[in-house]
Amino acid sequence: NAGVTQTPKFQVLKTGQSMTLQCAQDMNHNSMYWYRQDPGMGLRLIYYSASEGTTDKGEVPNGYNVSRLNKREFSLRLESAAPSQTSVYFCASRLRELDVNYGYTFGSGTRLTVV
Amino acid sequence: GNSVTQMEGPVTLSEEAFLTINCTYTATGYPSLFWYVQYPGEGLQLLLKATKADDKGSNKGFEATYRKETTSFHLEKGSVQVSDSAVYFCAPRGQAGTALIFGKGTTLSVSS
Repeated sequence: NAGVTQTPKFQVLKTGQSMTLQCAQDMNHNSMYWYRQDPGMGLRLIYYSASEGTTDKGEVPNGYNVSRLNKREFSLRLESAAPSQTSVYFCASRLRELDVNYGYTFGSGTRLTVV
Repeated sequence: GNSVTQMEGPVTLSEEAFLTINCTYTATGYPSLFWYVQYPGEGLQLLLKATKADDKGSNKGFEATYRKETTSFHLEKGSVQVSDSAVYFCAPRGQAGTALIFGKGTTLSVSS
């Protein structure tokens, strides 16, 4: 059981380049999330998808777009990367957004550096 | 909106010492409360949870009690091990339809 799989694990981009971070889960979860983790800032929510076909902005959505491709996959796109987007990105999923008693399952992260 | 405050680290302890990591939150209603742990180079893992007032969550020797009166969910362990060295995150559940809110994390370093 793979859980939440993120690709790639590491990436270096030049300023202005674009790329898509991939996330897939095999637990039949309905809700998926993208967070970024920065030193001293903890985890901040970028976007989330409560269910297939819906997406919503989180705390720091500027500079990002997302696609909920199907129930399994939720991708994060940087259209024009900036050094401020250097971070570790985590994807997470949960069975249902309204299940208040359930926590998240996290992927192992993508470490992105923008030079 | 909901928010969470964790004690700042790093917390440095010797093996077998007692651990407390403070966490307080502000929330509408009575959210479920979670502690997550992040080991070096890995993603976050759910450590324990409590879903209603006075509940005690426990796992791997760690405990936290949901204190409604003080809006707190402090993490404790009676005897830490080197393998407990990690970053710990407190996370209250937001209102239905919103995502988890994470504290900034507390780094724990345990030496033998």
